[in-house]
Amino acid sequence: GENVEQHPSTLSVQEGDSAVIKCTYSDSASNYFPWYKQELGKRPQLIIDIRSNVGEKKDQRIAVTLNKTAKHFSLHITETQPEDSAVYFCATHSGGYQKVTFGIGTKLQVIP
Amino acid sequence: GAVVSQHPSRVICKSGTSVKIECRSLDFQATTMFWYRQFPKQSLMLMATSNEGSKATYEQGVEKDKFLINHASLTLSTLTVTSAHPEDSSFYICSAPTEGGEQFFGPGTRLTVL
Repeated sequence: GENVEQHPSTLSVQEGDSAVIKCTYSDSASNYFPWYKQELGKRPQLIIDIRSNVGEKKDQRIAVTLNKTAKHFSLHITETQPEDSAVYFCATHSGGYQKVTFGIGTKLQVIP
Repeated sequence: GAVVSQHPSRVICKSGTSVKIECRSLDFQATTMFWYRQFPKQSLMLMATSNEGSKATYEQGVEKDKFLINHASLTLSTLTVTSAHPEDSSFYICSAPTEGGEQFFGPGTRLTVL
């Protein structure tokens, strides 16, 4: 089955700096790569996603890059703000109504 | 986006009792739903895939006789934790996927077994 590795597990940055979270996966059939933000006690919220026919996608301060050959994808948050503090999960999916495999999560702390 | 509700949001029960959690897709039909369990400071772990009109598919290590899943309609899946014990205390979340893979999560149910 799919194996998703995510790092770092914790990340502290100063407000205004950039944060980068990286994930690798094993299943070459995976073709959908979402990123979720989860605040304590709440449901995961989709913040950005990318499909395998695209190498990079950007939405304001958030961007995701995908390297299918190397089987890794990354989340980039620029100009971080305290409200970006949360746990971020990467995930992979192989299409259709298949299950999603999550990374272990990264706890991001943005220090004011 | 689509909306998924979950009920109850919190439940406290005594050890040995059973607890039912409902997951509903409010504005779309979900032939498939997923049930996750999340322990503190850990990732979401898939427990089972709920399929409308057929048996659920359980992940390795998940006891199907303890975690009963029923997907009786295109908008409702239920998870029943039978004979709950303190180690079953966790955050249970359901999700319903679109064909493209996007997951719509329920708000989660915090289960505490005393």
